[in-house]
Amino acid sequence: DIQMTQSPSSLSASVGDRVTITCRASQDISNYLAWFQQKPGKAPKSLIYAASTLQSGVPSKFSGSGSGTDFTLTINTLQPEDFATYYCQQYNNYPYTFGQGTKLEIK
Amino acid sequence: QVQLQESGPGLVRPSGTLSLTCAVSGGSFGRSKWWTWVRQSPEKGLEWIGEIYESGTTNYNPSLKSRVTISIDKSRIQFSLRVSSVTAADTAVYYCARFDSTGVGFDSWGQGTLVTVSS
Repeated sequence: DIQMTQSPSSLSASVGDRVTITCRASQDISNYLAWFQQKPGKAPKSLIYAASTLQSGVPSKFSGSGSGTDFTLTINTLQPEDFATYYCQQYNNYPYTFGQGTKLEIK
Repeated sequence: QVQLQESGPGLVRPSGTLSLTCAVSGGSFGRSKWWTWVRQSPEKGLEWIGEIYESGTTNYNPSLKSRVTISIDKSRIQFSLRVSSVTAADTAVYYCARFDSTGVGFDSWGQGTLVTVSS
């Protein structure tokens, strides 16, 4: 299985900050990488697919980059609703696998 | 916008079979769409269980393959999950989701349903 490793595991930031989350795959996954946002008690919400393409309706404050094994998710101008847990996921190889999550908390 | 809704028992006895159904509304089974089950537990995080295409073709996570069956009922526009010989390790929130293989990835999720394995 492809291992997806996110860093950091948790992150404290303030409203208005810009943050970056990193995801590393244990082998080349091209650009078959998605990012999700999850709030407590809710299903994951898809933010980005193909490493850098925003899902319909997702604000442009979210951006993704990378290919191969190293990827980043950047969130600009944090708002209170952005504080959540973020996951990366690869869909290049079966079984599809997820990162362990990055919890973004308010400082 | 397609909507997905999981249903099924919230409590399953150890060694029993977990059975869940996902009802699809606002859309139908179509090309390039794989209908998927994902579960989430504090111990394992998010875990992809498997998927099914409208043709009935399935792909399963090898770690669960011997115990998992995913089926589809196109007349009722729903798909189902069965996990046999369950243990406490199968306790999780189970999500159904739609995966678009044209590259969009997971674009719709159910709300999730908690299944507890306990006597």
